[in-house]
Amino acid sequence: DVKVTQSSRYLVKRTGEKVFLECVQDMDHENMFWYRQDPGLGLRLIYFSYDVKMKEKGDIPEGYSVSREKKERFSLILESASTNQTSMYLCASIFGQGYGYTFGSGTRLTVV
Amino acid sequence: AQSVTQLDSHVSVSEGTPVLLRCNYSSSYSPSLFWYVQHPNKGLQLLLKYTSAATLVKGINGFEAEFKKSETSFHLTKPSAHMSDAAEYFCVVSRSGGSYIPTFGRGTSLIVHP
Repeated sequence: DVKVTQSSRYLVKRTGEKVFLECVQDMDHENMFWYRQDPGLGLRLIYFSYDVKMKEKGDIPEGYSVSREKKERFSLILESASTNQTSMYLCASIFGQGYGYTFGSGTRLTVV
Repeated sequence: AQSVTQLDSHVSVSEGTPVLLRCNYSSSYSPSLFWYVQHPNKGLQLLLKYTSAATLVKGINGFEAEFKKSETSFHLTKPSAHMSDAAEYFCVVSRSGGSYIPTFGRGTSLIVHP
């Protein structure tokens, strides 16, 4: 089975800090995604990537950037963390259409 | 364009009784449809998927869903609820072929009473 690993389950950061959320998948998937999940709002797409060094904005990219230097790793970067970025962050990868997405366990980020 | 509507934000059932979680979708293209489950503080796990094969799809843990094109629905069912089924369930639509960025429903919280 595909495994998607997010490096941290829980993070607490201070306002203004630069925050890196790491995601690694072990099945050579080309497509990777970052979502944030908030109560009542469901999952919202932040960024996605079709290939190494390729990235596309999702629905809510403001305040975030991403990096995909290697196929297996997709990093989400909060350039200057703010309290409204407190959320659950989920990474996902997919082999191709119809295969379904594999999600990581999530990182619950609290910005204080 | 595509969208998905989960008709109930919360569903409450007693253990041993049937489960019905409702999902309607719209898509300009032939859709792929998925149901995911999320237990507290966990990631999302794929329950089942429809990708233009059989309209009745069987998934894990006794769940199944039926694709009804005429009704644009993809409801999730289970004959008998178990306490361990208590979780958040998400219906997802994506386009078959081409770009397949998914659209998530807002989720249905399933509550199972003993």
